[in-house]
Amino acid sequence: NAGVTQTPKFQVLKTGQSMTLQCAQDMNHNSMYWYRQDPGMGLRLIYYSASEGTTDKGEVPNGYNVSRLNKREFSLRLESAAPSQTSVYFCASSAERSRGEKLFFGSGTQLSVL
Amino acid sequence: SQKIEQNSEALNIQEGKTATLTCNYTNYSPAYLQWYRQDPGRGPVFLLLIRENEKEKRKERLKVTFDTTLKQSLFHITASQPADSATYLCALDGTGGSYIPTFGRGTSLIVHP
Repeated sequence: NAGVTQTPKFQVLKTGQSMTLQCAQDMNHNSMYWYRQDPGMGLRLIYYSASEGTTDKGEVPNGYNVSRLNKREFSLRLESAAPSQTSVYFCASSAERSRGEKLFFGSGTQLSVL
Repeated sequence: SQKIEQNSEALNIQEGKTATLTCNYTNYSPAYLQWYRQDPGRGPVFLLLIRENEKEKRKERLKVTFDTTLKQSLFHITASQPADSATYLCALDGTGGSYIPTFGRGTSLIVHP
């Protein structure tokens, strides 16, 4: 059982380039999330999708777009990468977006923007 | 605004001792609090959840307490082992009806053999 799968694991971009981070879950979960993790800042929510067909902004959405392609897949796009977007990105899923729901995380994508 | 505080300094202990990690929060009254473990280069993994009306929760060598008066949760690992070395994150259920966990920065635990 793979759980939450993220690709790629590592990526180096130049300022201004674009890229899409892919995430897929095989647990039939309704809700999916994108977090970024920076040293000293902890995990911060970028965007989330409570259910297929819906997306909402989190704490730090600027510079990102998302697509909930289907129930399994939730992608994060950087249209014009900036050095401030250098971070580790985690995708997560949960059965529902309800109180106390535990999150299942992928292994992360380490992104460097030069 | 809501604030979650975990000790940024690493906790170093000897194998066999009990490790105690602290999670404090302000300007919030969460109904749930969760603890996750994160190993280097990996995503967080869920460990335990405790509800506001529960004082204590146990799972094998793990124990979590939740004091809503002090606005604090303590996470204990008894008989610690080097394999317990990791970063431990606490998370509170989100504000404004989003119900999405908001995470603390985590505390690194290092268990020495």
